[in-house]
Amino acid sequence: GDSVTQMEGPVTLSEEAFLTINCTYTATGYPSLFWYVQYPGEGLQLLLKATKADDKGSNKGFEATYRKETTSFHLEKGSVQVSDSAVYFCALLSGNTGKLIFGQGTTLQVKP
Amino acid sequence: DGGITQSPKYLFRKEGQNVTLSCEQNLNHDAMYWYRQDPGQGLRLIYYSQIVNDFQKGDIAEGYSVSREKKESFPLTVTSAQKNPTAFYLCASRIAGANPTDTQYFGPGTRLTVL
Repeated sequence: GDSVTQMEGPVTLSEEAFLTINCTYTATGYPSLFWYVQYPGEGLQLLLKATKADDKGSNKGFEATYRKETTSFHLEKGSVQVSDSAVYFCALLSGNTGKLIFGQGTTLQVKP
Repeated sequence: DGGITQSPKYLFRKEGQNVTLSCEQNLNHDAMYWYRQDPGQGLRLIYYSQIVNDFQKGDIAEGYSVSREKKESFPLTVTSAQKNPTAFYLCASRIAGANPTDTQYFGPGTRLTVL
């Protein structure tokens, strides 16, 4: 079945450092891909998405490119801030019912 | 303001009791979803509904039940048959229809603890 694998955390960075969180997937065809962010005690917010191969999603300085050759959708940000500290989830859209398959989440801690 | 509300924020239950979690949305979305989140794990789908009076099981439906009598509401009941119900429960919704890539919006969640 479809699945998503994320790099294990926590990831600890200093403010203004470069961020990469790896995400790879296994699926039939080319599903839409998403990054969600969860701040402590809250629900999930959509960060960015890409619906087809080679698409680049971007939002709030975060970017991710849909790579079908490597079945990857890595999240990047050039300069992280303390306010970026959160849990980041990679997900894929499975089938046509809107069902999302999530990775296990990666905790990011940014220190001043 | 449009959005999804979940109540209560925290819920405590004794073993052997059923408990119902509320999810309401005023986004006029057709589809609604219930996910369960455990520490260090991603979200897993419990149930979903694409239209009123219809719903389907997700990946971990055992021990749970739902109803969809109104478009705005999708309550989840955690029954005594659920062996390990302590978790964070998230409700989501999206516009249904021909484009499944439409964004899913999430509520703030309910943290259920079984005592």
